[in-house]
Amino acid sequence: GEDVEQSLFLSVREGDSSVINCTYTDSSSTYLYWYKQEPGAGLQLLTYIFSNMDMKQDQRLTVLLNKKDKHLSLRIADTQTGDSAIYFCAESQAGANSKLTFGKGITLSVRP
Amino acid sequence: GAVVSQHPSRVICKSGTSVKIECRSLDFQATTMFWYRQFPKQSLMLMATSNEGSKATYEQGVEKDKFLINHASLTLSTLTVTSAHPEDSSFYICSATEGGSTDTQYFGPGTRLTVL
Repeated sequence: GEDVEQSLFLSVREGDSSVINCTYTDSSSTYLYWYKQEPGAGLQLLTYIFSNMDMKQDQRLTVLLNKKDKHLSLRIADTQTGDSAIYFCAESQAGANSKLTFGKGITLSVRP
Repeated sequence: GAVVSQHPSRVICKSGTSVKIECRSLDFQATTMFWYRQFPKQSLMLMATSNEGSKATYEQGVEKDKFLINHASLTLSTLTVTSAHPEDSSFYICSATEGGSTDTQYFGPGTRLTVL
């Protein structure tokens, strides 16, 4: 079955880079997503990558996909205090209309 | 960008009562809406998928008679928690998509339900 794994907590200093990792088990995953959730709020889509891509960069965000190892990472450059939130990776097999399977989420804490 | 709203944002009710949560797509027509449940410090679990004008598809283990979902229009889906109990207390989040295989799911801000 589908399963998405993430570690739970990461603390970084403001200005440093943050790297958040995620592994998934479903080799038929077609789309992989990164979402951000601030306290008491819904989810904000940060970026996504198709499974036929290795890397995608969008301003301060870089997504790396190792399909062989089923490993997804999100690098945030120049991390700011406003980046403090919970980050979820998610996967789906056929785009947004199909079900999203979420990882457990990792809490990113940015200290001044 | 596409905006999804939820109402109410927070509700407290007594055990045994029913609670309705609304999910609206404000600036687009949502052919598909999803309802998720999130327990504290945990991930989102999909409860059901609803398509406008048809019955919702529930995930395994979700009681369809307890969590009634109606997607009567292209901009509104409702989730009714019937005969709520304290174990139903949770954060309920909806998402909506316009359709198409590459379309994005846009999430609402969530509804915090507390059942006393």
